[in-house]
Amino acid sequence: EIVLTQSPGTISLSPGERATLSCRASQRVFSNFLAWHQQKPGQAPRLLIYGASSRATGVPDRFSGSGSGTDFTLTISRLEPEDFAVYYCQQYGNSPLTFGGGTKVEIK
Amino acid sequence: EVHLVESGGGLVQPGGSLRLSCAASGFTFGSSWMNWVRQAPGKGLEWVANINQDGSETKYVDSVKGRFTVSRDNARNSLYLQMSSLRAEDTAVYYCANTAFGWGQGTLVTVSS
Repeated sequence: EIVLTQSPGTISLSPGERATLSCRASQRVFSNFLAWHQQKPGQAPRLLIYGASSRATGVPDRFSGSGSGTDFTLTISRLEPEDFAVYYCQQYGNSPLTFGGGTKVEIK
Repeated sequence: EVHLVESGGGLVQPGGSLRLSCAASGFTFGSSWMNWVRQAPGKGLEWVANINQDGSETKYVDSVKGRFTVSRDNARNSLYLQMSSLRAEDTAVYYCANTAFGWGQGTLVTVSS
């Protein structure tokens, strides 16, 4: 099973700042099948990025994904008020599919 | 626009059964792997099961093997999760999801006496 470790656990930033979230896999993710999801309290997750770097339909271009192999990054270039949420990475290249523990982006 | 709409959740006693459904629209359902993912109260996301395009291949997390069965009906653009021998630890919001198109809104399953 591939274990995904997200860091930091919580990050405190102000609107307009840049957020850089890390996801490290315990082994290589097949074909870079790595997704990022956003979840706000009381809501379903929302797909942001799939295939490590492809934005899902309707996702603003301030969200970008990068990385390959075992190290992946989600970058939010300028935080908007609606971006404060929990972010999960997920690998779907190997069974069982696995999620990271999440990074909470909170308002400073 | 992609829509995934789950139904079938509710309160069930330990040892009981429940069948979840997911109605899909807005994408080529029959060409896509589909997943069930759950989230226990206050916890993170846990993948439960998935199924390939024609239903010939299914996979499960170890904790539900032998108790849950995932299936699909491509003619109805629908995904199902048959859950039996339910335990308290199966209590969660269950989502259907596709890794390229997104998530449904979820349906709550509560296992309690």
